[in-house]
Amino acid sequence: EVQLVESGGGLVQPGGSLRLSCASSGLTLRSYWMSWVRQVPGKGLEWVANIKQDGSEKYYVDSVKGRFIISRDNAKNSLYLQMNSLRAEDTALYYCASGYIGVPQGLHCWGHGTLVTVSS
Amino acid sequence: QAVVTQEPSLTVSPGGTVTLTCGSSTGPVTSGHWPYWFQQKPGQAPRTLIYDTTNKHSWTPARFSGSLLGGRAALTLSGAQPEDEADYYCLLSYSGGRHVFGPGTNVTVL
Repeated sequence: EVQLVESGGGLVQPGGSLRLSCASSGLTLRSYWMSWVRQVPGKGLEWVANIKQDGSEKYYVDSVKGRFIISRDNAKNSLYLQMNSLRAEDTALYYCASGYIGVPQGLHCWGHGTLVTVSS
Repeated sequence: QAVVTQEPSLTVSPGGTVTLTCGSSTGPVTSGHWPYWFQQKPGQAPRTLIYDTTNKHSWTPARFSGSLLGGRAALTLSGAQPEDEADYYCLLSYSGGRHVFGPGTNVTVL
């Protein structure tokens, strides 16, 4: 069974930093594009960033460009999101999502999310 | 940035058929937007139902199907079941590697 597990969320003050991680069991992440998606509780989904299998391509939603960095460590089968200069509007549940067998791109497998709260 | 639109809410009778649509502010939705459809129930992570306009996963119930309809992406639910009550989100891909979700459609089976 494929499982993606996010971690690293928590309470952080505005302007602070946080690093999210996503680990996989049952899926070799180096074969797939990986993404971060966030959701303010009670609101809709927002795509945040994605990264190619070898890390050579990365894309971001405009609102996080220059503040967030997506990265991966294929040797550790893990995905990361370094979040800097955090703002109240970054408060959300952050999901990682991956490609799947036969479909290396896109959002096919999802974790259960890690909650980030930006507040003083 | 492109804006993706969806119906805010729809109601379908048990066993009935309903079609959700997904539009783009940039013009007609095409297969080149690689439309995705996701189902999300309260307290749960999203689940991918349809990808690349029409493709299903092994876990996608056969009653769900994807298509293009009148310049929009469409998700049709045929033979609605009570367990299909959920929020449904579409996702479109744009140039520059960007992806944009629609605001979601809340489907009630009543």
